[in-house]
Amino acid sequence: KAGVTQTPRYLIKTRGQQVTLSCSPISGHRSVSWYQQTPGQGLQFLFEYFSETQRNKGNFPGRFSGRQFSNSRSEMNVSTLELGDSALYLCASSRLDRSSYNSPLHFGNGTRLTVT
Amino acid sequence: GENVEQHPSTLSVQEGDSAVIKCTYSDSASNYFPWYKQELGKRPQLIIDIRSNVGEKKDQRIAVTLNKTAKHFSLHITETQPEDSAVYFCAAKGQLIWGAGTKLIIKP
Repeated sequence: KAGVTQTPRYLIKTRGQQVTLSCSPISGHRSVSWYQQTPGQGLQFLFEYFSETQRNKGNFPGRFSGRQFSNSRSEMNVSTLELGDSALYLCASSRLDRSSYNSPLHFGNGTRLTVT
Repeated sequence: GENVEQHPSTLSVQEGDSAVIKCTYSDSASNYFPWYKQELGKRPQLIIDIRSNVGEKKDQRIAVTLNKTAKHFSLHITETQPEDSAVYFCAAKGQLIWGAGTKLIIKP
């Protein structure tokens, strides 16, 4: 079974630009979560989608948005990029076939975003 | 606000010794407590998890204990080996809140 696939692996953008990251979950997984990872900050939850609906959102500004398609693939968008947005963005999928948030997460390799 | 405190931030142990990492959470409704291992340059991977109706769970050299009254859970690694060197993360509140991570260093 293929794992979680994130594209692209690396991105370099300039302040003020916008960026779109993509995530394809494991086949059969309907939940997709996004996390931001920065050195010393651990993982910060961005948002989680299930059946095309955003179920939860972390404490990030509205510049960060996402969506999920009918095939469970998800995209994350960051508009008006700031230097502080430089980070590794991880996507994770889970089966979530019952009450929420109690399933193991399967992470992708991440997209490393550098904002200059 | 709700948070997960993870200690220590760095742990250095001699190969063959045991390592213990502790997480304290604040959300009383949390009922799933996973531990993830992230090797350098790789993705986080689940190594063990525990649910609130269980006090302890073991998987070979790895164990997790949960004290719901005190709101803390711990990762125990026995007979540490070089391949245990990594950053370990705990999570609570439905994996919406994560600890800051513990860098485990195994000294030969």
